[in-house]
Order: sequence, then C-alpha cells, then structure tokens
Amino acid sequence: DTAVSQTPKYLVTQMGNDKSIKCEQNLGHDTMYWYKQDSKKFLKIMFSYNNKELIINETVPNRFSPKSPDKAHLNLHINSLELGDSAVYFCASSAANRGENEQYFGPGTRLTVT
Amino acid sequence: QKEVEQNSGPLSVPEGAIASLNCTYSDRGSQSFFWYRQYSGKSPELIMFIYSNGDKEDGRFTAQLNKASQYVSLLIRDSQPSDSATYLCAVTGQNTDKLIFGTGTRLQVFP
Repeated sequence: DTAVSQTPKYLVTQMGNDKSIKCEQNLGHDTMYWYKQDSKKFLKIMFSYNNKELIINETVPNRFSPKSPDKAHLNLHINSLELGDSAVYFCASSAANRGENEQYFGPGTRLTVT
Repeated sequence: QKEVEQNSGPLSVPEGAIASLNCTYSDRGSQSFFWYRQYSGKSPELIMFIYSNGDKEDGRFTAQLNKASQYVSLLIRDSQPSDSATYLCAVTGQNTDKLIFGTGTRLQVFP
C-alpha cells in the first residue's frame, strides 16, 4: 500500500551507460515530480508533469528525459551517464490541480556511476 | 542570496525541550510553506505545511509564518531522541507548485 514507489532502490552502473528509473503513485494525484539530492544533501527539482504534460523543466542536461505514460507514472531515463550524475533521485506527487501543493516523496533511488 | 536559507546546525537540544527551527526566504510572492523531516538515508517526509500568516499546530509541532518578515519557523515541543533528523524548509513561489528547498537544519536531541 506504498503511496509513492520507485524502482530500483539502488542502481550502480558505469559511465556511458543508459538507465531508467520508474515511479508510480496510487494517491490519485495529478502532478508528479523528479528531484535530485546531491552529495551535500541539497534537494533540487528537475521536472514536473501534470496529467502527462511537462510543466517544469529546470536546467537539466538533455541526457535526462522524463516520460509520463499516464498520470500515475513518471519515469526518468538517463543517457550517457556521467560521474556527476551520482546522486539520490526522488519522485514526488501532489494534487496541485486541486490547489493542494503538498508533495509526497517516494523512497528514492541511489544512483552510483563508476 | 539563497532563495531559502536555513542554519545548517547541528541544533542540539535536551530531551523534553522545545526545538526551534528557522527559515527565511527571498521571494516575497511565495505562497506555500512546508517543513519536511529527513532521516539519514531516507526520503523527505512532510510534517507540516502552512499557507497563511500565524501559527498552525499539529500535535507536538507548530509552524509559524510571518510573510512580512519572510520567515517561517517550526517548533517541536517535548523533543524526543527520535526527532533527531534533518529538517528541510521548502517554499513555493507565486502561482507555481515548484518547491524550493533550503539546505536543511540538522537537529540532535540528546537524552
């Protein structure tokens, strides 16, 4: 009965590889987000989707491509991984369309690029 | 100037005391204010949100918002060792749900 779930929890890969992280929420929310938390624990938004439509796209390298097949899922695909991509990636969701800006976070995916 | 500023701490308080965490923000048009708790190796957990000036209480937690002074605070009464964590302040701008986070304050509650 997890509200926001992510897979995988850990991801270790080599530079240059392509990888994906999946996120699903069962809260009935309409908006989903990807955040990156770096080694200094600073949490920064990357993207947001509302009903499958891209709303926020921060200055993120275009090697990062989010995809939302439906409003309950938001995946993150990363091409040509670099050492600097190592971080924890969090998915979150909210009912922003109903004016409820409270965001609920998934458990995170710890990505390590070697 | 950082958009959302917090003292990184650690803030050390004895068990049973009141812990006071503060946050200031730069965007005067900010509308929504949140406090998240993050244990080491875990995800941020929403513990309080406040949208209007004044105080909002939920159990041992009280959020205080002063838009004129652009600060928001979190009070934790009867602090417990289990409250030891990093507390993240987050703010949304005007007409957006984009959350801007502070760097967090580490709270240590000692028995």
